[in-house]
Amino acid sequence: QKEVEQDPGPLSVPEGAIVSLNCTYSNSAFQYFMWYRQYSRKGPELLMYTYSSGNKEDGRFTAQVDKSSKYISLFIRDSQPSDSATYLCAMSRPTGNQFYFGTGTSLTVIP
Amino acid sequence: KAGVTQTPRYLIKTRGQQVTLSCSPISGHRSVSWYQQTPGQGLQFLFEYFSETQRNKGNFPGRFSGRQFSNSRSEMNVSTLELGDSALYLCASSPGTGTQGDTQYFGPGTRLTVL
Repeated sequence: QKEVEQDPGPLSVPEGAIVSLNCTYSNSAFQYFMWYRQYSRKGPELLMYTYSSGNKEDGRFTAQVDKSSKYISLFIRDSQPSDSATYLCAMSRPTGNQFYFGTGTSLTVIP
Repeated sequence: KAGVTQTPRYLIKTRGQQVTLSCSPISGHRSVSWYQQTPGQGLQFLFEYFSETQRNKGNFPGRFSGRQFSNSRSEMNVSTLELGDSALYLCASSPGTGTQGDTQYFGPGTRLTVL
């Protein structure tokens, strides 16, 4: 079993829709959770970073962590065509500097 | 601050050749990690270097190796290239202290094609 599971999609939504992207994980030692956005033929860019459980909001993006269920989510409100990309979740333990990535979800926002 | 830079951006090699990729981390970052990204496998961790020492290693064969210099710049080398080595190779830098949740910042990647 992979330590981080992510539905690869693809996910296709109309412009303006609310998008929900999710990852599950198996290692309860993970404390730090990240979402990256990767455009085609580019490197991933850090989008959101959260520690432990709870919500974090940044503009149209909200990251949610539920440690009891080992489940993290990224919500995108009022989705735009420019949000079309692959979204990767990642997580790490408090020490060790090793990061575990999901395989990515491909999102297309249709104008 | 300047971001993570990787050179070259594109490479075409033939089977059996070797290749060296270079990565310059964000100024002040001491940790450099390397990943291989393919459509089928996603991001796969190769290794991490911190203060010129390999600190973590993924499950790749010995044909994949790396090193880090005193200025934190890193290189990775792949010897005896195989067709399956065609991928986007990503470098990520982080402060590297490993505590309080360092996060990683990625470079644009080197796209390697093996013919």
